[in-house]
Amino acid sequence: SQQGEEDPQALSIQEGENATMNCSYKTSINNLQWYRQNSGRGLVHLILIRSNEREKHSGRLRVTLDTSKKSSSLLITASRAADTASYFCARRDDKIIFGKGTRLHILP
Amino acid sequence: EAGVVQSPRYKIIEKKQPVAFWCNPISGHNTLYWYRQNLGQGPELLIRYENEEAVDDSQLPKDRFSAERLKGVDSTLKIQPAELGDSAVYLCASSLERVSGNTIYFGEGSWLTVV
Repeated sequence: SQQGEEDPQALSIQEGENATMNCSYKTSINNLQWYRQNSGRGLVHLILIRSNEREKHSGRLRVTLDTSKKSSSLLITASRAADTASYFCARRDDKIIFGKGTRLHILP
Repeated sequence: EAGVVQSPRYKIIEKKQPVAFWCNPISGHNTLYWYRQNLGQGPELLIRYENEEAVDDSQLPKDRFSAERLKGVDSTLKIQPAELGDSAVYLCASSLERVSGNTIYFGEGSWLTVV
């Protein structure tokens, strides 16, 4: 399979809480990217972290990368209803390969 | 600036019929991708073009799928004949060049249902 592993597969949290999603991969990477997909829509690029970086921030998003464990996490702080979507990690070496995604649901 | 444009957005066909999807990438983007996304799964790469050259089509089922990118701009993905298992979303994406740090921009997808 081309796909990495994301965990959890689904996550429901109350609005205002933080949401954490994890991604694991098996081979070395140049960088790892996170994308969001709203229902029925295309994927939107959120953030990229390079293999020599350990943490990166963008607004309410925080991404970490642990190359020794071959894992990454995406933290969304102070979640909002509009954050309800599927989130995918994608590793990029010669091609970009997506995981299966985490379906995040923000409860009002 | 217009994003990646795909058409049709939705298509329902009977099995064994042909179907074609069209993609217009962002202007100036020389790398174009076709992905297939099954329900509840992540996108899987079918084919990648660098300008008009297909540089990675290892995941394209060549017995029934074909793609072309004439003049290195627009691209068409064709399925003939379609099978029930081809029901999926077909996503087109483009990027400026095949640089690992470049963002890939996706279209809204073409939703195919084969009945």
